[in-house]
Amino acid sequence: GALLSQHPSWVICKSGTSVKIECRSLDFQATTMFWYRQFPKQSLMLMATSNEGSKATYEQGVEKDKFLINHASLTLSTLTVTSAHPEDSSFYICSARDKGGEAFFGQGTRLTVV
Amino acid sequence: QKEVEQNSGPLSVPEGAIASLNCTYSDRGSQSFFWYRQYSGKSPELIMSIYSNGDKEDGRFTAQLNKASQYVSLLIRDSQPSDSATYLCAVWYNFNKFYFGSGTKLNVKP
Repeated sequence: GALLSQHPSWVICKSGTSVKIECRSLDFQATTMFWYRQFPKQSLMLMATSNEGSKATYEQGVEKDKFLINHASLTLSTLTVTSAHPEDSSFYICSARDKGGEAFFGQGTRLTVV
Repeated sequence: QKEVEQNSGPLSVPEGAIASLNCTYSDRGSQSFFWYRQYSGKSPELIMSIYSNGDKEDGRFTAQLNKASQYVSLLIRDSQPSDSATYLCAVWYNFNKFYFGSGTKLNVKP
């Protein structure tokens, strides 16, 4: 299966600061990447679809100015949580589909905003 | 209406039994279906994919798809305590979106 490397695996930040999460595809070119958020004991919620070289498509209710997504290359997509607040504390996961059509996931990033 | 629905469980089965997990979806145009397993605090890992009506077997796992009834299921034979996890059903929609069900928590008791 495809390999996605997500970094960092966990981060603690102060309220009001910004945090950048990276997602790299290691063995294939990911034209499209997906960013999910998962709160405790809840399912993955799609936040946005990131297309290489173009603007991300955000799901309804997701603030595009707060969650900045950049997909500048076929192997790297980044999610920046700007002016983070405690309610942004969650598990963030990136995903991409390989040529076989199956989706694979990064290791996830647990963000805690204090 | 949620795109993908699952019973949240928990589903408890004794070790060695068959665990049956079910999922329904709303979009008749969906073509690709997946089952993922997620341990607490970890990212989901792919178990199986299925694209055609019928059964697909892989080891102890069997995925079943019925497009007419819009459901997909996962059977786990000879369940082991290590199978205890949350199982997520995922559906790929034609407009380039990948949606997950809320997951079914499975407990396999030794």
